This record gives sequence, structure tokens and C-alpha cells, in this order.
Amino acid sequence: ETGVTQSPTHLIKTRGQQVTLRCSSQSGHNTVSWYQQALGQGPQFIFQYYREEENGRGNFPPRFSGLQFPNYSSELNVNALELDDSALYLCASSSGPNYGYTFGSGTRLTVV
Amino acid sequence: RKEVEQDPGPFNVPEGATVAFNCTYSNSASQSFFWYRQDCRKEPKLLMSVYSSGNEDGRFTAQLNRASQYISLLIRDSKLSDSATYLCVVNLRDDKIIFGKGTRLHILP
Repeated sequence: ETGVTQSPTHLIKTRGQQVTLRCSSQSGHNTVSWYQQALGQGPQFIFQYYREEENGRGNFPPRFSGLQFPNYSSELNVNALELDDSALYLCASSSGPNYGYTFGSGTRLTVV
Repeated sequence: RKEVEQDPGPFNVPEGATVAFNCTYSNSASQSFFWYRQDCRKEPKLLMSVYSSGNEDGRFTAQLNRASQYISLLIRDSKLSDSATYLCVVNLRDDKIIFGKGTRLHILP
């Protein structure tokens, strides 16, 4: 059973650019959620996808968007990058809201 | 009131001691609850689910009190390897997932 994999592991972007982060969910999981974690803080929920539909969203602006594909892998897109977007972005998958989530090791994004 | 609140610590506890963390949540419609553990510069890992009837896994016991809107985690006979940040997680009925900021635990030899 493969776990959750994320790519890339590290990324440096310039303010105003756009970025796409990718996530492959754990085998058998149909739900994917994305989080932003700043240093010293808990993960902040961005949104969740279930069977290719967004079914939950945190307090993030519309320039944070996502997709889930038929194989349940997912993308997080961030437009018009700001310096405060620098953080660790975590993807997690689950077989449902009562089962807990398995996290990937994250993508560390630095915006300069 | 914050949606999920935890004491940030750090808790400095001698090896072999028992340590307890609490976490409070504000939304009474919350539907599921978890404790995660996160090591420095690593991803969170699911420690255990939390139920009103209590949940025990070896040295770890988790409990949910819906009336008072808090969850707890008890670690008995603590080991050096228990040193980590412990994150409380609440799933809301509208499919929002809220993490606490975490409680840092240092087990001292």
C-alpha cells in the first residue's frame, strides 16, 4: 500500500507568480484535503475534495483553487503569489471524515 | 473564542511520568475528533480517534466530552520518543477540518 506522495518537495517562486502543487492519495482513499502550515503553527485547512467535487473550504481567498482527478489525485493552485504564502503545504487523504487522514510529507514553498 | 484551542506548552515531563493534554472546541456540531502527532519538520501522523466512550491504545488514552466540548489525551509511562507536538483535530459537519496549534511535549531523561 503506497502512502500519500507530494511533489515537488521544495519550490521557490517570485511574488505574483502562479504555482501548482501535486498530490497522489493513498490507495483506496477517495477524499483529499490540503493544508497550509506556517512555522510554529498548526495546519490551516484550505479545502477538501471528495470524488472530484470540493466539499469543504477554509478561510482562504479564491486565488487558492484545486482539482481532484478520477484517480483521486489532486492539485492545489495558487495564483498571484504573496510573500505570506510561504509555508509548508500538506496534502492528506482519507476514506471518509470519520477515519482520520494520512498526510504526505509536504511541499515547502518559498515566495521571494 | 477560537474554534479549537490547545495549551501550546511546552510540557517538560520526566521519563516515566504521566502527562495529560486537553483541547477545547467551540462548534457543538462537530462530528469527529482526532489526535495527531507531529515531529519537528515532519508531517502530522494520526495517533488516534477520539470517542465519547473513550479510546485506549497501549499507553495512550483519548476521551471526548461533548457536554463540555473538550477532548483529552493521556500518555502513561512516557518515553523519550514521545517528545513531539500533539495536534487536536475537529471535523465539522460542513466538512471543514480544524487543527489546533498543537501542544509541545518534551520528555526529559
